Amino acid sequence: DVKVTQSSRYLVKRTGEKVFLECVQDMDHENMFWYRQDPGLGLRLIYFSYDVKMKEKGDIPEGYSVSREKKERFSLILESASTNQTSMYLCASSLQGGAEAFFGQGTRLTVV
Amino acid sequence: QKEVEQNSGPLSVPEGAIASLNCTYSDRGSQSFFWYRQYSGKSPELIMFIYSNGDKEDGRFTAQLNKASQYVSLLIRDSQPSDSATYLCAVRTMNSGGYQKVTFGTGTKLQVIP
Repeated sequence: DVKVTQSSRYLVKRTGEKVFLECVQDMDHENMFWYRQDPGLGLRLIYFSYDVKMKEKGDIPEGYSVSREKKERFSLILESASTNQTSMYLCASSLQGGAEAFFGQGTRLTVV
Repeated sequence: QKEVEQNSGPLSVPEGAIASLNCTYSDRGSQSFFWYRQYSGKSPELIMFIYSNGDKEDGRFTAQLNKASQYVSLLIRDSQPSDSATYLCAVRTMNSGGYQKVTFGTGTKLQVIP
């Protein structure tokens, strides 16, 4: 069974903290993505990766960085959390050229 | 102009009717088109994808693509209350770095009334 697992379902952090969101997939997919989802704005791509140690900026990379040291793991880092980064964060993975992206369960992050 | 546009809804249809969901996109070079369904509090899941002009049918779902008009739609026949969800249109394009990326619309909320 296909699985994308995000490390936390809910997270509360303070302004200025460094925050790590972890995502692991067990499908040997090449592609991994981080999105944030906000009401009225839909899913917006933050960063994506097509291979180990490779990363590409998405549409809203500011304030974020990523790490992909192993094929199965893709981490999103908020260097200094701010209240405008309060959101639902979704990780996804897919095969290279594949039609379907499989999503994790999401992490609802609140920055106070 | 947004890259992928959808009417946010809600779109209300009676049970058993046909629900028609629409999406337009701005990049003429777009290659692949997807419809995801997202139940409240859940993650999106793929229900249809289409690459070529015309119709593609899968059970009660039909995806329609018109590249000349930059328009993709999803028809749901015999709508059921369990179809009530937000439907996200997604479009795959090539970004400036030569990599494929998928852009999502904001979604249309569908309500099927029993």
